[in-house]
Amino acid sequence: DTGVSQDPRHKITKRGQNVTFRCDPISEHNRLYWYRQTLGQGPEFLTYFQNEAQLEKSRLLSDRFSAERPKGSFSTLEIQRTEQGDSAMYLCARAGGPNGELFFGEGSRLTVL
Amino acid sequence: AQTVTQSQPEMSVQEAETVTLSCTYDTSESDYYLFWYKQPPSRQMILVIRQEAYKQQNATENRFSVNFQKAAKSFSLKISDSQLGDAAMYFCAYTSRQGGSEKLVFGKGTKLTVNP
Repeated sequence: DTGVSQDPRHKITKRGQNVTFRCDPISEHNRLYWYRQTLGQGPEFLTYFQNEAQLEKSRLLSDRFSAERPKGSFSTLEIQRTEQGDSAMYLCARAGGPNGELFFGEGSRLTVL
Repeated sequence: AQTVTQSQPEMSVQEAETVTLSCTYDTSESDYYLFWYKQPPSRQMILVIRQEAYKQQNATENRFSVNFQKAAKSFSLKISDSQLGDAAMYFCAYTSRQGGSEKLVFGKGTKLTVNP
C-alpha cells in the first residue's frame, strides 16, 4: 500500500464533457503531485502542491485543466470540455520522505469518446 | 531541462536468468537522485531501487542492482534470478535535489517479459 487512493479508477466520457478526479493521500505528506501517462509513454508531470498551495504547473496543463487541494489534504483534478487527446491515465503521487521518491496511486484512466 | 532516455522499448528474459535494462540521462546538475520504478499491468507504480548521485557505491535491493556511471550519465538496472512476477513496465526516473521538490522526469519505459 502506497498510501494514495484515487477515484474513479476508470471514467468514460463523451467529448466536451467535464470530468473530475480525486486523490486522497495519507494525511501527513504535504507534497502531492499529478502526472499524466499516455499509452506507451512514461508519466509526465502536470502539477504539484505543497499543502494547499499549487507551486508549479507544467505547460501541459492547459486552461481546460484545473487542480485544487483545499485544506492541504485531498486533491482534485478537473478537465473541462474534454477532448479525445485527453485520454490517458492520470496518476497522483505523494512525497515519501527525505530521499526524493514518490509513491503513486493506482491512477484514474480517462477515455474520451 | 533534464531528460531520461530508455533505448529498449521491450526486453525479454528466461525465468531464473539475468537481464539488464538501460537508462541514460542528461543533466547539468551534480546532486540528484535516480530511480527505477516498476509498473505491472493495470497496477500501480512501485519503487524498485534508488541511487543518490553523490554515492559512488551502486545501490542493491535483493535481486535488483544498478550500475551507476555518473560521468557517462548512465544508470542501468540488473535483475538477477528473474521471476514471473518481474514482468512489468520499468521506468527510469530522475529528480534534482536542488529544486525543493520531488518532481520526477521519467523515461518512456521498457516492457519486460519473463518467459517460463
